[in-house]
Amino acid sequence: QQQVRQSPQSLTVWEGETAILNCSYENSAFDYFPWYQQFPGEGPALLIAIRSVSDKKEDGGFTIFFNKREKNLSLHIKDSQPGDSATYFCAANYGGSGNKLIFGTGTLLSVKP
Amino acid sequence: GALVYQYPRRTICKSGTSMRMECQAVGFQATSVAWYRQSPQKTFELIALSTVNSAIKYEQNFTQEKFPISHPNLSFSSMTVLNAYLEDRGLYLCGARGWGGEQYFGPGTRLTVL
Repeated sequence: QQQVRQSPQSLTVWEGETAILNCSYENSAFDYFPWYQQFPGEGPALLIAIRSVSDKKEDGGFTIFFNKREKNLSLHIKDSQPGDSATYFCAANYGGSGNKLIFGTGTLLSVKP
Repeated sequence: GALVYQYPRRTICKSGTSMRMECQAVGFQATSVAWYRQSPQKTFELIALSTVNSAIKYEQNFTQEKFPISHPNLSFSSMTVLNAYLEDRGLYLCGARGWGGEQYFGPGTRLTVL
């Protein structure tokens, strides 16, 4: 049972466009949602995270929009660059789970110049 | 900044042998460490969660007998894969959590089993 789902599986955008990556979850107890960026051959790097008390979080060109009622969130990458091409993972956990993150299956983003 | 180092980055071992991997948190104190395995299809499996001065909690399908973990202080953890077989291949990731709750990952140790 996949508790955290991501869509699309892969996404191609042109340089300068906004890439939108989607994530949904099932467990209403989840209260912390980090997004990780992973390049081939590397570990996942923490990009930006949001807590369920907020509905929006911005950091640089990255924005998370969070909808608690619908149990979904999205990552918007503004002004996408070829260097943003990577796999993006949405993850979730809740206070009672300690350090246990539940990961989605990832979205492979390709930004074409 | 917060960094997590893992060693070795890559390792090849013969089927039935064991290998040890290390994880070091630099620039912050890791209140807990989670070991994951990422498959070639990029899915994550949590192996175990380790908090200093608490019992290490293993997930279903993973045991201490197969993946013994040591977490002696707030900056260092190690895990051994005992009697490695083909199904143990993958990228082993160490995720260290600081006091602020954010979890940082190392670059991983890629295990190949021949």
